[in-house]
Amino acid sequence: IAGITQAPTSQILAAGRRMTLRCTQDMRHNAMYWYRQDLGLGLRLIHYSNTAGTTGKGEVPDGYSVSRANTDDFPLTLASAVPSQTSVYFCASSDSRALTGELFFGEGSRLTVL
Amino acid sequence: GQNIDQPTEMTATEGAIVQINCTYQTSGFNGLFWYQQHAGEAPTFLSYNVLDGLEEKGRFSSFLSRSKGYSYLLLKELQMKDSASYLCAVLDSNYQLIWGAGTKLIIKP
Repeated sequence: IAGITQAPTSQILAAGRRMTLRCTQDMRHNAMYWYRQDLGLGLRLIHYSNTAGTTGKGEVPDGYSVSRANTDDFPLTLASAVPSQTSVYFCASSDSRALTGELFFGEGSRLTVL
Repeated sequence: GQNIDQPTEMTATEGAIVQINCTYQTSGFNGLFWYQQHAGEAPTFLSYNVLDGLEEKGRFSSFLSRSKGYSYLLLKELQMKDSASYLCAVLDSNYQLIWGAGTKLIIKP
């Protein structure tokens, strides 16, 4: 089934540990995004990639890094996790950065940092 | 700053009609989106408005007034499965999506 796959679905992590959230899409979309969703707040963009080989910072990039080695994969890394990074993380993709249509989301990764 | 406002929570009765409002102040405008998000699930696309007026899609309609910075999502013939959060998002002049916090819609029998 075409779409976006995220892993892990859920993770509990000790503060200070390194963590990578994986995201893979098979729709050949150029643009990919990482959002975090916290209660009472709208989705906030962490990093994005317009096309393979390029990345950009979103609204809340600090403490996070991404890479886009190919079209399909867009991993998000927390170099040294802190409790404020406890959140639900959504990976998404779209045909192009100039969104005129649908943004496709993965099922989310629930991360708890203790 | 950029801001999207929508009610935190609404309650409606099965079979009825509900209107969820969204007002926005953004740096430019390149379209407004509505997404539905069931608890514990990913957001899914409902509608996209870039011109003023009403877009109808089955039981769901979305309205936009760019001059007023206003949109609403209208849900007709409410079903229990419509219980979800509804997210309003605006594409600004930099083609960045600005998201509202979402409206949790509770449907009662």
